[in-house]
Amino acid sequence: ETGVTQSPTHLIKTRGQQVTLRCSSQSGHNTVSWYQQALGQGPQFIFQYYREEENGRGNFPPRFSGLQFPNYSSELNVNALELDDSALYLCASSLSSHTGELFFGEGSRLTVL
Amino acid sequence: AQRVTQPEKLLSVFKGAPVELKCNYSYSGSPELFWYVQYSRQRLQLLLRHISRESIKGFTADLNKGETSFHLKKPFAQEEDSAMYYCALTSGNTPLVFGKGTRLSVIA
Repeated sequence: ETGVTQSPTHLIKTRGQQVTLRCSSQSGHNTVSWYQQALGQGPQFIFQYYREEENGRGNFPPRFSGLQFPNYSSELNVNALELDDSALYLCASSLSSHTGELFFGEGSRLTVL
Repeated sequence: AQRVTQPEKLLSVFKGAPVELKCNYSYSGSPELFWYVQYSRQRLQLLLRHISRESIKGFTADLNKGETSFHLKKPFAQEEDSAMYYCALTSGNTPLVFGKGTRLSVIA
């Protein structure tokens, strides 16, 4: 059974640029949630995708967007990067959209200069 | 609004001593509470959930609705317990909300 994988693991961007982060969900999971974890903070919910549709969104601006594909893998896109977007971005998959049992990837660490 | 509070950023205990990681929550409905753990250089993973009333790696947690708490306990700390611990809450229809975490350091 393959776990959740994320790419890239690290990346550096400059203010104003755009970034795409990718996530492959665990086999059999149809739901993907994205979290932002700033240094010293707990993970903050960005949004969730269930069967290719956005199924809930946290307090993040529209420049944070996402996609889920038919194989349930997912992308997180961030436009017009700001310095405060520097963080670890975590992807988590789950068997359903109504569970607190999430399986996390190792994260993508984004640095915005 | 759902909120999870972990009052201690860092907790240091000696090996063999009891451990209690505090978690308080605010939610008016019926919450589901979880503890997640992140060991050094590993991914965040589920440790235990209140509905299963299980003991994992010697850890237990009891949901106290009167005190809105879900403290994580272990009678005898081991060095391998050193990690970052996050308390988390959902209602089932809402996303999982995490606390800021407590770093447990077990001193030999």
